[in-house]
Amino acid sequence: DAGVTQSPTHLIKTRGQQVTLRCSPKSGHDTVSWYQQALGQGPQFIFQYYEEEERQRGNFPDRFSGHQFPNYSSELNVNALLLGDSALYLCASSPDANNEQFFGPGTRLTVL
Amino acid sequence: EDQVTQSPEALRLQEGESSSLNCSYTVSGLRGLFWYRQDPGKGPEFLFTLYSAGEEKEKERLKATLTKKESFLHITAPKPEDSATYLCAVLGGATNKLIFGTGTLLAVQP
Repeated sequence: DAGVTQSPTHLIKTRGQQVTLRCSPKSGHDTVSWYQQALGQGPQFIFQYYEEEERQRGNFPDRFSGHQFPNYSSELNVNALLLGDSALYLCASSPDANNEQFFGPGTRLTVL
Repeated sequence: EDQVTQSPEALRLQEGESSSLNCSYTVSGLRGLFWYRQDPGKGPEFLFTLYSAGEEKEKERLKATLTKKESFLHITAPKPEDSATYLCAVLGGATNKLIFGTGTLLAVQP
């Protein structure tokens, strides 16, 4: 049983560019959440998707957007990249909102 | 506002030297407290879920406990492979987002 997968593993972009990160949830999970983790910090919640809709959003600007597909996979899009967007982006899946979330390996984004 | 504070920030132990990590939390209507292990550059690995005060969970050398204000992760006779950052997170109220602490960096020396 494959766990949560994310692609790409690493990404280097320049300021002002746009990026798309992808996530496939664990089998049987229909809820996908995205987190941003800066070095030395705990993960910060970006948003959560369920039934192809954004169910909840954290304190992130509109430059951060997402999508969930009918097969429950998800994308995170970030527009107009800033240096401060450099971080590890984590995707987590869960069978519902009350259960533990299982994390993928993350995508390391570097903005130059 | 929901908040999670972990202590200490860093802990260095000798192999076999038992200790505890602390997670203090403030949340409206706790729905779950979660412990994760994170290795450098990797995603967090799920360890335990605790739902109510008095609950305990064990896995190998790790034991997690929960009170109404804090949780402890006890490490018994640690080995070098237990070296990692241990993260605590809570789920509470009507929100669906995990609130994480900043973690405890554990180093176990042989």
